Amino acid sequence: GAVVSQHPSRVICKSGTSVKIECRSLDFQATTMFWYRQFPKQSLMLMATSNEGSKATYEQGVEKDKFLINHASLTLSTLTVTSAHPEDSSFYICSARAHGSTEAFFGQGTRLTVV
Amino acid sequence: EDKVVQSPLSLVVHEGDTVTLNCSYEVTNFRSLLWYKQEKKAPTFLFMLTSSGIEKKSGRLSSILDKKELFSILNITATQTGDSAVYLCAVPPRGKAAGNKLTFGGGTRVLVKP
Repeated sequence: GAVVSQHPSRVICKSGTSVKIECRSLDFQATTMFWYRQFPKQSLMLMATSNEGSKATYEQGVEKDKFLINHASLTLSTLTVTSAHPEDSSFYICSARAHGSTEAFFGQGTRLTVV
Repeated sequence: EDKVVQSPLSLVVHEGDTVTLNCSYEVTNFRSLLWYKQEKKAPTFLFMLTSSGIEKKSGRLSSILDKKELFSILNITATQTGDSAVYLCAVPPRGKAAGNKLTFGGGTRVLVKP
C-alpha cells in the first residue's frame, strides 16, 4: 500500500507555543489530506479536509485560527497548533488520498503533550 | 448526516476464540465501507468492501457487506494476542464535494487473553 509519513511522532511543548506537524505522502500524490484528532479510548474525529492548493475545510467546532492547515504541494500538508494549551494535548493523525481513490492511507500519528 | 455505529463497544476473548464485529451505517449515496485495525498508533487498512455478499479474506480475518440491511461484519478466527486492538469501520461518501472524508464508527476494542 501507499506510504504516508507523519512527523514528529511525539512532541512535548510549553503552553503558549506553536507546534507544527507534517504529513507527507511518499509514493503517491495526495490531492486530499485529512487531519484527525483522537482522544484516549475514542474514535477518530475529523478536524479538517485539505485539498492541494486551496484552503482547508474545517469541521464544525474546530477553530481554524488555532489549527492552521497548509497543503501547499501534492505530497505535503502541515497542521500547526498555535498558542497551544494543555487541552490541546491529544493524538493527531493525518490521512492522504490520491485522486480518484476511495482508500485513505494514514500517517503514524503524532502524540502532542502540552505542559 | 452520515452515521456509522459499531458494536460491541468492547469484548474480551481467549486465544483461539472467534470474534464477530458489527458495523451498521446510514449514509447518503453509499460507495464503500472500510475496516481498519488500530493498535498503539494510526489505523492500518484491512478491507474495503463495495459489493454485497462477497466475502473478503486475509488470513484469519474476513469481512462481508450487506447493502440491503446496511451493515458489515468483520470476523477473526483462531484469535491471537496480537489481534488485540481497536477495530474501526469507516464509510466515505460519494461525490466530489464531500472530499471523500471518512465517517468513522466508534470502534470495537478487542482484547485477546492468552
